[in-house]
Amino acid sequence: GDSVTQMEGPVTLSEEAFLTINCTYTATGYPSLFWYVQYPGEGLQLLLKATKADDKGSNKGFEATYRKETTSFHLEKGSVQVSDSAVYFCALSLPFGNEKLTFGTGTRLTIIP
Amino acid sequence: EAQVTQNPRYLITVTGKKLTVTCSQNMNHEYMSWYRQDPGLGLRQIYYSMNVEVTDKGDVPEGYKVSRKEKRNFPLILESPSPNQTSLYFCASSLSGRGHEQYFGPGTRLTVT
Repeated sequence: GDSVTQMEGPVTLSEEAFLTINCTYTATGYPSLFWYVQYPGEGLQLLLKATKADDKGSNKGFEATYRKETTSFHLEKGSVQVSDSAVYFCALSLPFGNEKLTFGTGTRLTIIP
Repeated sequence: EAQVTQNPRYLITVTGKKLTVTCSQNMNHEYMSWYRQDPGLGLRQIYYSMNVEVTDKGDVPEGYKVSRKEKRNFPLILESPSPNQTSLYFCASSLSGRGHEQYFGPGTRLTVT
C-alpha cells in the first residue's frame, strides 16, 4: 500500500543551523506531496506542496523538491529560527478516488537559541 | 475568516457513553475527512465524504460513524466509546481535485476511561 517514511526525531538544532528532514514515499500512480507543520496545541497547517515530478515547493524559507527517481521529498531550510520549533509531517495524496492524506509519523523539531 | 471548527476541544468520557464531535467548515468545500493522531503512528483517516450524502470508510473506521447532511457539517459519532479510542481527532476539508490543500481544525482530545 501507499506509505510515507520520514526521518525519526526528535531533532534539536541551534538557531541559524541548516535543516534537513528526510522523507521518502511509496505510492501507486503519481501522488501529490505535502509538508504540514503542527505547532503546539494547534491543528496542522500546510507548509508547502508539489504536485508533479521536479516541482519545488517553497514557503517561509523552507523548500522541498519532488524527486520521482528517488521517491523523495526532503524538507530543507538554510537558517532555522526558534519559531520553527514544531512537528513536521510529510504526506502524500493520490489523484483518484479518496483524496486522503497518507502521513509519515512526524518529526519533532526543537530550535535552541 | 476561512476556518474549520471542532467541538468540543477536550472531552473525558466513560466507556459506552455515546458522544458526538462536531466539525464545521465555512469554505464551501466538497471534501471532508476525519483523522486520528496517535504517538508513533502519525495521522490515520477514519472516514471521509466527497460531498453531501456521500461518505465512505477510511483506514480505521471501526467504532465510528459519520453523516453529511449539509455541506458545511461533518460530525463524528462514537456510539459506544472504548479506551482504545482515546486519541487526538482532527477534521479536515478541501476542494475536490488533485493536490488541493486540506484545511485542518484545531483538534479534539478525547479520553475514554
